[in-house]
Amino acid sequence: EPEVTQTPSHQVTQMGQEVILRCVPISNHLYFYWYRQILGQKVEFLVSFYNNEISEKSEIFDDQFSVERPDGSNFTLKIRSTKLEDSAMYFCASSDVRPEAQYFGPGTRLLVL
Amino acid sequence: AQKITQTQPGMFVQEKEAVTLDCTYDTSDQSYGLFWYKQPSSGEMIFLIYQGSYDEQNATEGRYSLNFQKARKSANLVISASQLGDSAMYFCAMREGPNAGKSTFGDGTTLTVKP
Repeated sequence: EPEVTQTPSHQVTQMGQEVILRCVPISNHLYFYWYRQILGQKVEFLVSFYNNEISEKSEIFDDQFSVERPDGSNFTLKIRSTKLEDSAMYFCASSDVRPEAQYFGPGTRLLVL
Repeated sequence: AQKITQTQPGMFVQEKEAVTLDCTYDTSDQSYGLFWYKQPSSGEMIFLIYQGSYDEQNATEGRYSLNFQKARKSANLVISASQLGDSAMYFCAMREGPNAGKSTFGDGTTLTVKP
């Protein structure tokens, strides 16, 4: 069964460093998303991406964040200068032409020290 | 006001019994979708079931069914014949508007299935 994959599974970084989180959505899906979940809290929407542009973003998704689909398969989230409060699990998700379900990847656990 | 409200932080159910996890939502959109996800202790988010606002029938997926009461703005998840592997956090979520966009999640309900 096709699935969303994410790399790395865990990332530890120093405050102020840049990180890039990678995702490979399900191949025939057209809508892509990033969410985050701070430990013990609810899942929060960051950004949605369709047709090579951001279709919606939350107030969390400030200038420190960017997304890119550099080729036909990868979808990346970049955090330019990480802060302690960026420590969270980051989930990538994708959905198809009829976005009735967003399928999540296994997540990347980011720890900023 | 909260968009998605899950009032049960924790629930217990006996193995093989049915359990209902509550979810109420708040939206002024006519077109929206409601979802349930399962998050086991390993952390991944597993899509369980979807209900569209215009769907007249309640959604069902195997042992999962969604009790959709539009006038009450509730979308409760019913798990029949609970199994030990159902122990997890369950999130209700809503997507508003006709286009793909953000989903707003509730705080979650931790379900524990007792043998």
